[in-house]
Amino acid sequence: NAGVMQNPRHLVRRRGQEARLRCSPMKGHSHVYWYRQLPEEGLKFMVYLQKENIIDESGMPKERFSAEFPKEGPSILRIQQVVRGDSAAYFCASSPQVAGSGTGELFFGEGSRLTVL
Amino acid sequence: KQEVTQIPAALSVPEGENLVLNCSFTDSAIYNLQWFRQDPGKGLTSLLLIQSSQREQTSGRLNASLDKSSGRSTLYIAASQPGDSATYLCAANPPPGTYKYIFGTGTRLKVLA
Repeated sequence: NAGVMQNPRHLVRRRGQEARLRCSPMKGHSHVYWYRQLPEEGLKFMVYLQKENIIDESGMPKERFSAEFPKEGPSILRIQQVVRGDSAAYFCASSPQVAGSGTGELFFGEGSRLTVL
Repeated sequence: KQEVTQIPAALSVPEGENLVLNCSFTDSAIYNLQWFRQDPGKGLTSLLLIQSSQREQTSGRLNASLDKSSGRSTLYIAASQPGDSATYLCAANPPPGTYKYIFGTGTRLKVLA
């Protein structure tokens, strides 16, 4: 049973380019969460999605960042016109149950490390 | 607003020592608390999850306790090994369990052979 799969593992972009990060949740999981880890900081929640729905995007910057989880295919975190401050590790997590029920356990992927030159 | 603090930020111990990692949180109203391990350049591996109604959880050489009234959780590692070297992260999940975990900045552990 494959875990949470993220790609690419490493991505280098120049300022002003676009970054697309993909996440496939664990088999049977329909809830996806994106977190960002800035250098020397803790992980911070960005967005919570279910299939075709954004449930909570309160942690995501209002500009340049967007996320989707289509009916078919992986969840995508998109960062437009990247700046140096976007350099970070972006982690995806999934869970099998709706928020607020079950154990609340999250299963994380290996992360995508974005470097903006 | 929930804040999570982990002390110490870094710890170096000889192999075989028993050790305790500390996690403090400011709001005692939590849905659960989860301890993770993160190896350099890697993702997070879940170690132990403690529900708000539980006092502790054990897995092998690891034991995690939760004291909501004092806003503290500890991760106890028995008979440490070099393979335990990693960063250990504590994360509190606020009610009603929306998965918006609040993470500490972690304790970087190095176990010397």
